[in-house]
Formats: sequence, C-alpha cells, structure tokens
Amino acid sequence: ETGVTQSPTHLIKTRGQQVTLRCSSQSGHNTVSWYQQALGQGPQFIFQYYREEENGRGNFPPRFSGLQFPNYSSELNVNALELDDSALYLCASSLAGRVNTGELFFGEGSRLTVL
Amino acid sequence: AQSVTQPDIHITVSEGASLELRCNYSYGATPYLFWYVQSPGQGLQLLLKYFSGDTLVQGIKGFEAEFKRSQSSFNLRKPSVHWSDAAEYFCAVASNFGNEKLTFGTGTRLTIIP
Repeated sequence: ETGVTQSPTHLIKTRGQQVTLRCSSQSGHNTVSWYQQALGQGPQFIFQYYREEENGRGNFPPRFSGLQFPNYSSELNVNALELDDSALYLCASSLAGRVNTGELFFGEGSRLTVL
Repeated sequence: AQSVTQPDIHITVSEGASLELRCNYSYGATPYLFWYVQSPGQGLQLLLKYFSGDTLVQGIKGFEAEFKRSQSSFNLRKPSVHWSDAAEYFCAVASNFGNEKLTFGTGTRLTIIP
C-alpha cells in the first residue's frame, strides 16, 4: 500500500477519443511522474510534474499532456487516442530531490484499452 | 542515452532454489540502478537500489544485487525463492542529476514451481 491512488482502474475508449486519468499522490509528496507500460514491456517515462509545472518529458507526442494541482494531485490527458495508446498508465509520487534516489511510490495503474 | 537490457524474458525456478536475474545497463557516468517488482495487477515496488559505495546491496524480501562496473551489470539474486516471489521484475537506471526519469528494462517474469 503506497498511498498513491489512481482512477479509473480500467477504461475502454475508441480511436480519436480523449481520456483523462487521475492520480492522488502520497501525503507529503510534491512530485508526480507518469509512465506508460505497454503489454509485455517495461514502463516508459511520459513526464513529471513538480509544483504544478512540467519538469521533464519523455519521448511522447504533445497529445499527451498533464496537470498538477495545488494539492499535488495530477491528471494525464491523452487526445486523439490511437490503438497503440492501449497500455497500463502508472503514476508515481515522490518528494522533490528524492526522485533519483529511487524513492518513487507507484499506484496500481489505470488500464486503458483503445478499440 | 541510458538504456537497460534484461536478457531473460521468463525464468522458472523451483521453490527453495536460488535465483539470479540479469540486468545490463548502458550509461556514460556512474548510474543510479534499481530493481523493482510488479505483482499481477499491482504497481511497482522498489526492492533495492545502488548509488555508490559497497557494490553489494541488500534489499527487501531477502533480495540482493551486485553492481559490476566492468561488466555494466546489476544482477539480482536471492538464495532461496518462495512461491510469493512469482512476479515481474524490472531493472531500471537513472541519471544522477537533473531530470530524474527512470529508464526501465523490459522485465523478467519469474515463475515458481513447487
């Protein structure tokens, strides 16, 4: 139990639609990172938010966007969904300056299926 | 760019037997190295990490890993596996400055047989 909660746990969308995934970080954590985990693959870094600003981005197109709120919760938005966006989306929270110490606390993920 | 290779996609081990999961990394400087475990339907849990110092690091659940710079490896070991160790194991590397993103390997799925 990491204290990181994600919603929804499962959802199905069709190509071209938009989706919003939500993450509540562990109490006291001010940094949120999002990862995409395709079936049979390791997680891939999408982006990170610190103090409501994007603080680094992986190799994902602009249709992947995010927000962090004053309470440090976060949203991941994906526009114009494609079939390859089907994946488990993982949120990880941490305390600033500690991310690269491996102290990431992961939620259980939101599984997105795009038909 | 940093990268991680986990050459074994799937490993099957008998309960009580020893375990070694392989991980090779590519990174120009001294890396930060991690092992995470993912049980079915769960998020990832940190098992152990290496930053500097003693090259043999101890983690949770009886796991250990050894950093070998000459071989660019960070293999995970456990002397005696339990049925509850069945899961997916991911090796990851991070840079030690700036934007802290983890680069994960593709994972090794561990099956335990009685």
